[in-house]
Amino acid sequence: GQSLEQPSEVTAVEGAIVQINCTYQTSGFYGLSWYQQHDGGAPTFLSYNALDGLEETGRFSSFLSRSDSYGYLLLQELQMKDSASYFCAVRTGGYNKLIFGAGTRLAVHP
Amino acid sequence: NAGVTQTPKFRVLKTGQSMTLLCAQDMNHEYMYWYRQDPGMGLRLIHYSVGEGTTAKGEVPDGYNVSRLKKQNFLLGLESAAPSQTSVYFCASSYSRAGVAHNEQFFGPGTRLTVL
Repeated sequence: GQSLEQPSEVTAVEGAIVQINCTYQTSGFYGLSWYQQHDGGAPTFLSYNALDGLEETGRFSSFLSRSDSYGYLLLQELQMKDSASYFCAVRTGGYNKLIFGAGTRLAVHP
Repeated sequence: NAGVTQTPKFRVLKTGQSMTLLCAQDMNHEYMYWYRQDPGMGLRLIHYSVGEGTTAKGEVPDGYNVSRLKKQNFLLGLESAAPSQTSVYFCASSYSRAGVAHNEQFFGPGTRLTVL
């Protein structure tokens, strides 16, 4: 079967750093994507890792270890607007077919 | 550019009724996707298209049909709606680079469908 595991909820305070982990088991693997979704909104693309290592985009970084079937999203200098759900998704082929995790709900408190 | 738009935003159906959800994109993207999102779950791929005139099944295609007659439009049809199809439906698109879909998918605002 195909599955992605990520924590259901994470809580943090403004200015802090939070890490959202994702482990996956899929029949095909091209890379790992991360999407952000605010309540009532559409998912928006954050990052993509095809190779092992860390990719940094502003306050957000994403890491991948293919040998461990593991990745994480790191959010730094948390702001209230970062309160949202975060989904990891495995790209399974050239057509960018995605298998999504169930999502991690991040609550940022003052 | 409007990006990806979806029509309608909300709809309530009775069991057995049919309807079509419309997705339109003005970014000249080759690839288009239909997902459903249920509470506490991630998005699940229903059908996708790699270009005008092509469609393919995703993870959960049963009970749905699709058509891509024009490059900019991707239609999702429910022939006989069932309560299990109550969900939020998202359409997405991505562009092609050297014949391969780019990593980023651009999502529409979603259609909230309730089947009674």
